[in-house]
Amino acid sequence: NAGVTQTPKFQVLKTGQSMTLQCAQDMNHNSMYWYRQDPGMGLRLIYYSASEGTTDKGEVPNGYNVSRLNKREFSLRLESAAPSQTSVYFCASTPRWNTEAFFGQGTRLTVV
Amino acid sequence: TQLLEQSPQFLSIQEGENLTVYCNSSSVFSSLQWYRQEPGEGPVLLVTVVTGGEVKKLKRLTFQFGDARKDSSLHITAAQPGDTGLYLCAGEGVDDYKLSFGAGTTVTVRA
Repeated sequence: NAGVTQTPKFQVLKTGQSMTLQCAQDMNHNSMYWYRQDPGMGLRLIYYSASEGTTDKGEVPNGYNVSRLNKREFSLRLESAAPSQTSVYFCASTPRWNTEAFFGQGTRLTVV
Repeated sequence: TQLLEQSPQFLSIQEGENLTVYCNSSSVFSSLQWYRQEPGEGPVLLVTVVTGGEVKKLKRLTFQFGDARKDSSLHITAAQPGDTGLYLCAGEGVDDYKLSFGAGTTVTVRA
């Protein structure tokens, strides 16, 4: 099993550009999450989807949008990238509402 | 403001020594999880503790959940270089079921 797969692994954007981060899980999990990780700040929740068809804002949603395309896939979109969005982004999934999280390998995004 | 405070932020020890990492909060949690993250990888779950006062052992790692379910500790006995990594605690909220992460403790075990 691949678990949680994120693409791309690395990305450099210019300020104002847009992009979509892709995430897919093959564990039949109900809930999926997007986090960002910055030095000294741990993991901060951007958006989450408790189940297929629902999405909700997390702690730091400004500048992002999400789509729960189906049970497997949960994408994160940056409409107009800003340098403050330079970070490492992690997608995670859980088998039911918030138990043990399985993480992808991360996307390292730099906005210049 | 971090909901979960981890201490110390950095820890560097010699192989064979013991270490303890702390995770503290003023909030009560339904459960608390510990993850280890290696450079360039996502966090990997080590353990979940659910009951106040619970102690779980995973080989040389001992995890404890405080009686009031507000704090936790991770103790590593006879640390090895393979224990090097970022250790993160995460608490599951009682009312909203969300996971809140601490900022992490970076552990370096020198051979």
